[in-house]
Amino acid sequence: GDSVTQMEGPVTLSEEAFLTINCTYTATGYPSLFWYVQYPGEGLQLLLKATKADDKGSNKGFEATYRKETTSFHLEKGSVQVSDSAVYFCALSKTGAQKLVFGQGTRLTINP
Amino acid sequence: GAGVSQTPSNKVTEKGKYVELRCDPISGHTALYWYRQSLGQGPEFLIYFQGTGAADDSGLPNDRFFAVRPEGSVSTLKIQRTERGDSAVYLCASSLTGTSYEQFFGPGTRLTVL
Repeated sequence: GDSVTQMEGPVTLSEEAFLTINCTYTATGYPSLFWYVQYPGEGLQLLLKATKADDKGSNKGFEATYRKETTSFHLEKGSVQVSDSAVYFCALSKTGAQKLVFGQGTRLTINP
Repeated sequence: GAGVSQTPSNKVTEKGKYVELRCDPISGHTALYWYRQSLGQGPEFLIYFQGTGAADDSGLPNDRFFAVRPEGSVSTLKIQRTERGDSAVYLCASSLTGTSYEQFFGPGTRLTVL
């Protein structure tokens, strides 16, 4: 079945460091890909999305590019802030199937 | 505007008891989803409603789990004969239509079965 694999956490970085959180997927067809974020004490929020190969999603300084050849959707940010501390989830959905399939999440902590 | 709300925020029950978890979606959203999130894991899909009907219930783990959405708005997830393994955070999400890409999530109900 369809699945998403994320790099294991937790990840701890210093402020202004470069961030990469790896995400790879297994799915038939051409899924849409998402990154959701869960800040402490809050619900899941959509961070960015890409709906077809080579699309780049971006928001709040975060970027991810849909790479069909490597079945990947890695999350990057050039300079992280303390406020980026959260749990990040990579997810996919298939055309015609509205459910989201999530990875296990990566907890990110940014130290000042 | 108001987001997705879920009640109760926490529910503690004993093994074998029946529980109901409620979800109020964003007004006007026709699609509603239930997910279950165990500790340290990502959310797992349970069921998807389009309007009043369950369009996809393939994620319900067994027949102890049932969900309804009788008027196409509020939904209730019902769990019979609860087991300790049912302990998790139950998340509800809604989207404007079934083909909308963004699902808006509620804060979840933390269920603990003793």
